Amino acid sequence: QQQVKQSPQSLIVQKGGISIINCAYENTAFDYFPWYQQFPGKGPALLIAIRPDVSEKKEGRFTISFNKSAKQFSLHIMDSQPGDSATYFCAASGNSGGYQKVTFGTGTKLQVIP
Amino acid sequence: DGGITQSPKYLFRKEGQNVTLSCEQNLNHDAMYWYRQDPGQGLRLIYYSQIVNDFQKGDIAEGYSVSREKKESFPLTVTSAQKNPTAFYLCASSLQGANTEAFFGQGTRLTVV
Repeated sequence: QQQVKQSPQSLIVQKGGISIINCAYENTAFDYFPWYQQFPGKGPALLIAIRPDVSEKKEGRFTISFNKSAKQFSLHIMDSQPGDSATYFCAASGNSGGYQKVTFGTGTKLQVIP
Repeated sequence: DGGITQSPKYLFRKEGQNVTLSCEQNLNHDAMYWYRQDPGQGLRLIYYSQIVNDFQKGDIAEGYSVSREKKESFPLTVTSAQKNPTAFYLCASSLQGANTEAFFGQGTRLTVV
């Protein structure tokens, strides 16, 4: 059962443009929403994360917007650069049987063209 | 340097053979995880361990086995019972508790021929 739905599957953005990736979740017990960035042949690395008690978090060019009532959250990359070309995963985390379980989205492959 | 190390980076095995993937961390993390990554399917949890000598099945544990004899090590064995073992395998570790970052290794690409 897919508990975190991510879209789009792939995205092409021109340099300087805004990249937007969307995620939706079902389980209201999720209480932590990280985004991971993965370059080819590498493991994912934490990019930015948000808790549901805030509606937005910004770190540099990266912003998470969070809509608790709609159970949706999104990643915005401002002034996108070719170096941002990677696969991005949203995730949702919550306590499940005493263990902090992380459920990942299916990933978005971003390509930023010069 | 602190981190999480997976080896080997690439692994080729014949069908029907068991194979063990190594994962070592020196971050002093209690929790360790194994994920499988396939194109278009994101990261799927195979096994996880919260403490030494204890581990639990994730969402796709069939055909896999693990051990956690040391805090630093969490090897994954892909057995011959795994029907489609060719994939990219990722190991991760984290502190215990809520809202903690998972640190990933560089992955092992397993190809079964």
